Amino acid sequence: KAGVTQTPRYLIKTRGQQVTLSCSPISGHRSVSWYQQTPGQGLQFLFEYFSETQRNKGNFPGRFSGRQFSNSRSEMNVSTLELGDSALYLCASSLGPEQYFGPGTRLTVT
Amino acid sequence: KNEVEQSPQNLTAQEGEFITINCSYSVGISALHWLQQHPGGGIVSLFMLSSGKKKHGRLIATINIQEKHSSLHITASHPRDSAVYICAVPSNFGNEKLTFGTGTRLTIIP
Repeated sequence: KAGVTQTPRYLIKTRGQQVTLSCSPISGHRSVSWYQQTPGQGLQFLFEYFSETQRNKGNFPGRFSGRQFSNSRSEMNVSTLELGDSALYLCASSLGPEQYFGPGTRLTVT
Repeated sequence: KNEVEQSPQNLTAQEGEFITINCSYSVGISALHWLQQHPGGGIVSLFMLSSGKKKHGRLIATINIQEKHSSLHITASHPRDSAVYICAVPSNFGNEKLTFGTGTRLTIIP
């Protein structure tokens, strides 16, 4: 079975721009979670989607949003980028409680 | 909200040594996750356990539910074990939203 894939792997954006990241879960997995990892804050939960519905949400501003499609693929969007949004963004898919992580998208905001 | 503490933050050891990484949490959980992150960012799920002990190759994970404590052990450590090890627990019992420890950076010297 193919693992979780994320695109793009690397991205450089300018302050004020917006960005969309994509995550394709393992086939058959209906839950997709998104995480942000920064050197200062470590790994933090962004949100979780299940069957196209947001099921859980972390403590991030409204500039961070996401969605899930009927094929379980998920996207997250960050609008009005700030320097502090530079991070590794990881998604993970699951069928049950165990999560399988993708390789991440490294976003640099300049 | 679950608070997670890991120790030590950094650990350097000689090849062949027995390694122990500790994780404590504050709120009762359904399961605890141990994750491994290599340079470059990709995260691999090593264990998910809710009681007792699990073993996979040279890695052993134990959990004491009453004491809210888990340990990850590596026997006969090898330089390829060098990575950051992260424990993660649900934010609340039964909730799949994960809270992460700050990670233990392990370096094994040949």
